[in-house]
Amino acid sequence: EIVLTQSPGTLSLSPGERATLSCRASQSVSSSYLAWYQQKPGQAPRLLIYGASSRATGIPDRFSGSGSGTDFTLTISRLEPEDFAVYYCQQYGSSPFFTFGPGTKVDIK
Amino acid sequence: EVQLVQSGAEVKKPGESLKISCKGSGYSFTSYWIGWVRQMPGKGLEWMGIIYPGDSDTRYSPSFQGQVTISADKSISTAYLQWSSLKASDTAMYYCARALGERFGYWGQGTLVTVSS
Repeated sequence: EIVLTQSPGTLSLSPGERATLSCRASQSVSSSYLAWYQQKPGQAPRLLIYGASSRATGIPDRFSGSGSGTDFTLTISRLEPEDFAVYYCQQYGSSPFFTFGPGTKVDIK
Repeated sequence: EVQLVQSGAEVKKPGESLKISCKGSGYSFTSYWIGWVRQMPGKGLEWMGIIYPGDSDTRYSPSFQGQVTISADKSISTAYLQWSSLKASDTAMYYCARALGERFGYWGQGTLVTVSS
């Protein structure tokens, strides 16, 4: 079973700053099978990135994903007020098929 | 427009049974897997299982196998998550989500289940 670890647990930044979120897998993950989601309080998660680096429909280009193997990164180039949220990485593979990381909270400094 | 609309919040007692629903619209319901995801209060996302409504092929996370049952009625484009005997630890928000390959591109609004004596 692949375990995903996200760091940091909380990232305190100001609007306009760059956010770099890490997702590390316990075993190699196919880049095609790594996704990122954003969740705001009281809302369902929203798909941001799939295939490690492809933006989902309607996602602004300030969001970018990169990485391969066991290390993946979500970067928000310049934080907008609406970007303060919790971010989850997720991998797809052998059983249990879908695994989520524990999340990184991006809050306002 | 793709939509997943979930049933409303539930308050149940321990030991009671429950079935919540997720109705898909705006796409071919039988052509996409529908997954269920648990979020306990203040916690992260946990994948529970997934069903292909076209043939009812169902897969469960080992953590949830035997604890819940996932089903679908393709005639009414609806997927279900059910419990036969609820526990207080089942208190959580439950989301359904449409899978496209390895990702969940569309999510329901969530169903809050509260189990309390």
